[in-house]
Amino acid sequence: SAVISQKPSRDICQRGTSLTIQCQVDSQVTMMFWYRQQPGQSLTLIATANQGSEATYESGFVIDKFPISRPNLTFSTLTVSNMSPEDSSIYLCSVEGVVDSGNTIYFGEGSWLTVV
Amino acid sequence: KNQVEQSPQSLIILEGKNCTLQCNYTVSPFSNLRWYKQDTGRGPVSLTIMTFSENTKSNGRYTATLDADTKQSSLHITASQLSDSASYICVPDSGGYNKLIFGAGTRLAVHP
Repeated sequence: SAVISQKPSRDICQRGTSLTIQCQVDSQVTMMFWYRQQPGQSLTLIATANQGSEATYESGFVIDKFPISRPNLTFSTLTVSNMSPEDSSIYLCSVEGVVDSGNTIYFGEGSWLTVV
Repeated sequence: KNQVEQSPQSLIILEGKNCTLQCNYTVSPFSNLRWYKQDTGRGPVSLTIMTFSENTKSNGRYTATLDADTKQSSLHITASQLSDSASYICVPDSGGYNKLIFGAGTRLAVHP
């Protein structure tokens, strides 16, 4: 299984500021993803982080609000820009992996952001 | 519209007891079904993954079943432990990692 480290694990942010979340994987992976989980809600895919090219964003998410970098096969960052209280969520980095008979998705421990 | 419904929404059981969590989904096309365990404030941890042709998959005290015809899955937990207290999330997909549909989860509390 892949070991995924996220920083920060938790932060309290001021409205209007931006915060960059880092995701480091212990092995090279092709696919890296960023998810958001708002309080009491299920996970929602923000974007697929592509190595060497622009990220692919899901409906409702835009690059200006959530810029993503993927400089190599083990590292990615997600920035939450111009934060508002509605951005208070757990942000999760995930990667694909192979287990038993199928592929699965491994998640990092998450970055819990509270915007005040 | 792709949807996932999990039941019950929450459940309290005593340590040592068994329980079964249910998942109904309307995902088309359907490829795989995953179950995850998520502790509060932490990232989800994979428990099982089944392809559309598999009926059951076990991982220790966790056993998942799948009926692709009726679009139902269940997760059975045997001899529950206090550490089983978490949310359990059912995740069918229609092919492709950007096509995972996450259920709202069942919140399980195991009491001594």
